[in-house]
Amino acid sequence: GNSVTQMEGPVTLSEEAFLTINCTYTATGYPSLFWYVQYPGEGLQLLLKATKADDKGSNKGFEATYRKETTSFHLEKGSVQVSDSAVYFCALSDVNRDDKIIFGKGTRLHILP
Amino acid sequence: DVKVTQSSRYLVKRTGEKVFLECVQDMDHENMFWYRQDPGLGLRLIYFSYDVKMKEKGDIPEGYSVSREKKERFSLILESASTNQTSMYLCASSSHGQGSRGSYNEQFFGPGTRLTVL
Repeated sequence: GNSVTQMEGPVTLSEEAFLTINCTYTATGYPSLFWYVQYPGEGLQLLLKATKADDKGSNKGFEATYRKETTSFHLEKGSVQVSDSAVYFCALSDVNRDDKIIFGKGTRLHILP
Repeated sequence: DVKVTQSSRYLVKRTGEKVFLECVQDMDHENMFWYRQDPGLGLRLIYFSYDVKMKEKGDIPEGYSVSREKKERFSLILESASTNQTSMYLCASSSHGQGSRGSYNEQFFGPGTRLTVL
């Protein structure tokens, strides 16, 4: 079945460090891929998305590229800020049912000033 | 500004009580979802609804039921609360998928209800 595997946290970095959060997926067909972010005390919100192979999603300095050959969608940011501290979820659309999204377990990110 | 609201941020109930969690969206979305979020387990889908009075079981429906009498409102019901239902409950909504390759639908989430069952 469809599934998402992302690196376990917590990840702790200093401000201005480079961030990578790894995400790989298993799916039949051609899912859309997402990164959602959950700030403390809030629900999830969409950070970025990619709908086909080689697409790059970007938002707020974060980027992720849909790599079909490696079935990956790693999240990167060149210089993190304290305000980026949150939980990040990689997700994919269920190719059997476009309305459903399958989430990874989440990666907690701590940025130290 | 799009909005999904949940009736309570924090709730404390006793074992065996019947619990209602309410979710309302103002985006005229067809789909609504209930998830629970637990440390180390991520988000797990309990139930979803793709239209008024329509529902489908998610991955962990046991011990829960849902009601969707109006398009904007989706209720999660714990018929007899148990301590293992202590969790964060998240509601989300989205519009219908296009059903074609590469289509997607962003889900919009409420702030969550942290339920404690004693």
